[in-house]
Amino acid sequence: KAGVTQTPRYLIKTRGQQVTLSCSPISGHRSVSWYQQTPGQGLQFLFEYFSETQRNKGNFPGRFSGRQFSNSRSEMNVSTLELGDSALYLCASSLGQGSRNTEAFFGQGTRLTVV
Amino acid sequence: GENVEQHPSTLSVQEGDSAVIKCTYSDSASNYFPWYKQELGKRPQLIIDIRSNVGEKKDQRIAVTLNKTAKHFSLHITETQPEDSAVYFCAAPIWTGTASKLTFGTGTRLQVTL
Repeated sequence: KAGVTQTPRYLIKTRGQQVTLSCSPISGHRSVSWYQQTPGQGLQFLFEYFSETQRNKGNFPGRFSGRQFSNSRSEMNVSTLELGDSALYLCASSLGQGSRNTEAFFGQGTRLTVV
Repeated sequence: GENVEQHPSTLSVQEGDSAVIKCTYSDSASNYFPWYKQELGKRPQLIIDIRSNVGEKKDQRIAVTLNKTAKHFSLHITETQPEDSAVYFCAAPIWTGTASKLTFGTGTRLQVTL
């Protein structure tokens, strides 16, 4: 079956602009989590959606937002982009909420560069 | 707190030696402990996981041990090879007060030298 698909793979934006990233989970998975990864850094948790509801939120400013659709596809939006937002954005899908007892599968990520 | 602590942050071993990475977690109800490997420029991928009803699990050169009483689990790689060089992340589902969240450790950069 198809894996987790993230689009676009690469993106270059200018400071002050906004961006929307998309994540299509594995078929049947209802949980989608988003992470920010900067060079040499770990996986900074952004938020998690399950059945169209945000279940968890990380410590990021309100410029970062997300949503999940009825088909479990998820989008995240970053408004008023800053240089420090340049990073690899990864999403992960799993069957259950919070990945309790179930594996989380990662997409290939979207590499965002803010200039 | 709601966290997973991972040590060491960097680890360098010679080819053929063993490598051990340790993690501790805060939620005593956590029952699933995966380990992910992220090679340079690639996505994290699951390499092994363990559930709370067992104390050890092996898969060829990789093993994970779990001590639920002490709330820690470890990844063991034996006979390391250059292709084992990567960043390794442990994770555990941690209750945040409103929902469970798969929480990752800060990662261990493993370098296997010839």
